[in-house]
Amino acid sequence: DAGVIQSPRHEVTEMGQEVTLRCKPISGHNSLFWYRQTMMRGLELLIYFNNNVPIDDSGMPEDRFSAKMPNASFSTLKIQPSEPRDSAVYFCASSFSARGYTEAFFGQGTRLTVV
Amino acid sequence: AQSVTQLDSQVPVFEEAPVELRCNYSSSVSVYLFWYVQYPNQGLQLLLKYLSGSTLVESINGFEAEFNKSQTSFHLRKPSVHISDTAEYFCAVRRDQAGTALIFGKGTTLSVSS
Repeated sequence: DAGVIQSPRHEVTEMGQEVTLRCKPISGHNSLFWYRQTMMRGLELLIYFNNNVPIDDSGMPEDRFSAKMPNASFSTLKIQPSEPRDSAVYFCASSFSARGYTEAFFGQGTRLTVV
Repeated sequence: AQSVTQLDSQVPVFEEAPVELRCNYSSSVSVYLFWYVQYPNQGLQLLLKYLSGSTLVESINGFEAEFNKSQTSFHLRKPSVHISDTAEYFCAVRRDQAGTALIFGKGTTLSVSS
């Protein structure tokens, strides 16, 4: 398996524009997680899905952020409108959710810069 | 809710010296514990994990961590570090329940110099 695939790897956009980050989890995994990494706040959990259903979105910072998982092989994280403080590295991770299967596998991340 | 505290944000050491990266967690329920490593411009990779059983767990590249329930700690150690161990290390906790998420500490940057 190719692992968790995120696109794009880098995104530079102007303030106010819509940004869409994409993630393809590992085939067979049924849990998907979006994390944001910044120097100040470290790795923050934004939202996660089990079987395509959002379970906990309490980490989503504002209504400008939204995430969807229309099927088991694809998820998006959208920011609309984007702001400079959204600049960060966004990671997607997936895992197989069952007792005894515990670790999450991470993608390479999307480095977002909002100018 | 679970939380993780990594007590050192940066740890500089010389090559072949021993190192300990400290991690404490808080949780009211049983948890699984993990250490992940992140090399520059890459995603996170699992280094080792504690699920149950022996409280001492080891990785393939010489790191080990010991689960101490009474002190709620999961410190990472290596007796002799290499330049290639330079990276950021994250401690993480997950509830002992299917379908839960990993909660991470803020990370410790290990810098190994010659």
